[in-house]
Amino acid sequence: KAGVTQTPRYLIKTRGQQVTLSCSPISGHRSVSWYQQTPGQGLQFLFEYFSETQRNKGNFPGRFSGRQFSNSRSEMNVSTLELGDSALYLCASGRWTSTDTQYFGPGTRLTVL
Amino acid sequence: GIQVEQSPPDLILQEGANSTLRCNFSDSVNNLQWFHQNPWGQLINLFYIPSGTKQNGRLSATTVATERYSLLYISSSQTTDSGVYFCAVGEIKETSGSRLTFGEGTQLTVNP
Repeated sequence: KAGVTQTPRYLIKTRGQQVTLSCSPISGHRSVSWYQQTPGQGLQFLFEYFSETQRNKGNFPGRFSGRQFSNSRSEMNVSTLELGDSALYLCASGRWTSTDTQYFGPGTRLTVL
Repeated sequence: GIQVEQSPPDLILQEGANSTLRCNFSDSVNNLQWFHQNPWGQLINLFYIPSGTKQNGRLSATTVATERYSLLYISSSQTTDSGVYFCAVGEIKETSGSRLTFGEGTQLTVNP
């Protein structure tokens, strides 16, 4: 069974631009969560989608948004990029509840110049 | 929200040594996972262990949910065990969905 895939793996953008990251979950998984990892803040929860609905949201500004498609693939978008948005963005896939094992993708490393 | 504390923050071992990593959490949980982050950033699942004890080769984990802590044991460490180990927990709240709260990690270095 294929694992969680994320594209692109690396991205360089400049301040003010916007970016879209993609995540394809494990086949059969309907929950997709997004996390941001930075040296200063560690791993922080961004949001979670289940069956195309945002089920939970972390404490991030509205510039961070996401969506999920009917095939469970998810995208997250960051608008008006700031230097502090430079981070590793990780996507996790799960079946449907918090009691399920979460499997993470390889991440997208975003650098904002 | 729930708080997760990991200790020690850094650990340096000689190859062949054993180690214990600890994770304390502040509230009842229904999900606890241990991960190893590889040098490329990917989080590799080690254990899903909201309670009880599990073993997988040289690694084992124990979670005592009533006392709100979990331990990860690494025996006969190898240089390939180096990296950051994270504990992550999921709260028992209907609104929490599949949200995980991570500790700050333990940076393990195994020297040859």
